[in-house]
Amino acid sequence: SQQGEEDPQALSIQEGENATMNCSYKTSINNLQWYRQNSGRGLVHLILIRSNEREKHSGRLRVTLDTSKKSSSLLITASRAADTASYFCATDARAAGNKLTFGGGTRVLVKP
Amino acid sequence: EPEVTQTPSHQVTQMGQEVILRCVPISNHLYFYWYRQILGQKVEFLVSFYNNEISEKSEIFDDQFSVERPDGSNFTLKIRSTKLEDSAMYFCASSEHNDQPQHFGDGTRLSIL
Repeated sequence: SQQGEEDPQALSIQEGENATMNCSYKTSINNLQWYRQNSGRGLVHLILIRSNEREKHSGRLRVTLDTSKKSSSLLITASRAADTASYFCATDARAAGNKLTFGGGTRVLVKP
Repeated sequence: EPEVTQTPSHQVTQMGQEVILRCVPISNHLYFYWYRQILGQKVEFLVSFYNNEISEKSEIFDDQFSVERPDGSNFTLKIRSTKLEDSAMYFCASSEHNDQPQHFGDGTRLSIL
């Protein structure tokens, strides 16, 4: 089974619109992190949300976590062309040490 | 803002050759990691390192792979005898503690010919 699957796989929106992407996972987690990756570049850490937290904000980013449904969402408000990137969720579980298990990512295109 | 730096950005090597990928983690971080991303696939965990020893490794991290912290600043990944399927982007990451965010470098693109 796959841990950390994002939905949708791709998203195209106009600048100024909100972008929402979801992540589902299968096993109990310690933390869930969201990362951004611009084409050919490294992974930029966005937000870490712990298993006992339900919502977290950072600037235009809002992350929710529902451990009963084993899912998380990332909302980018008032999107900009510079938000064009792939977004990944990554989970770590106490039983698995602190290694991160990544999903396949959501490719977001923000059109000016 | 402190960052993880990786060198080289691109490495081209003949199959069967040894390759060493280098990383300088963030200076006050204690946990170090290597991940890889084969083109078009997910980022995969390779190994984690703490207190000068491997704390966890994946099935990918077989006897051909090794890691080392040769001094107080560098963290290296060595592949002894490269195979075509080792071609990937290799990312180094570090974190202050094991429940803190992992910060990634820009990666080394390894191409095996």
